Amino acid sequence: ETGVTQTPRHLVMGMTNKKSLKCEQHLGHNAMYWYKQSAKKPLELMFVYSLEERVENNSVPSRFSPECPNSSHLFLHLHTLQPEDSALYLCASSQDREVQPQHFGDGTRLSIL
Amino acid sequence: GQNIDQPTEMTATEGAIVQINCTYQTSGFNGLFWYQQHAGEAPTFLSYNVLDGLEEKGRFSSFLSRSKGYSYLLLKELQMKDSASYLCAVKDSNYQLIWGAGTKLIIKP
Repeated sequence: ETGVTQTPRHLVMGMTNKKSLKCEQHLGHNAMYWYKQSAKKPLELMFVYSLEERVENNSVPSRFSPECPNSSHLFLHLHTLQPEDSALYLCASSQDREVQPQHFGDGTRLSIL
Repeated sequence: GQNIDQPTEMTATEGAIVQINCTYQTSGFNGLFWYQQHAGEAPTFLSYNVLDGLEEKGRFSSFLSRSKGYSYLLLKELQMKDSASYLCAVKDSNYQLIWGAGTKLIIKP
């Protein structure tokens, strides 16, 4: 399924770098999400946008900064990350926040040196 | 707190049947989802239960008992390609998805 596209697929960065993750959905959905997935842990919801407005921010450190310029695009800006931030970052979208299933991208594998 | 429990890992034989259990304790309930995730790939939606009972979709079925806070995913006629992690997730009263850590299913020939 190519409905949700994430770039890059892999990213290695130092702790002082600044980088951005990009997500694009071609499904006409109204809600978009950023998740962090670490090995053997549940998916952690980071941010939720509905109709381009942020509706949830689950106490994520300020070194992660989301941006949603329109309903099809979502970015996650990264700066001064820590080694424990190394994980798979997944983007998802859904038609609504209530009952419709979420569709996921393949994720960005992030490694912090 | 909110909690989703599912076994960490299960092993089954090709052609057999396997049942993956999920128990949950959440603030409210607005539906339960099962997702499949192959290594290095995106989670993909498998099933949705909001009422008690069994939902069947081909080789996969999902069962829900809201009074027991319990669900299972039943996979029949197992194929090697079914080797993956299976994620259970519940929507709470705020429509936020609460996720389990996933069950890694290993299929042996």
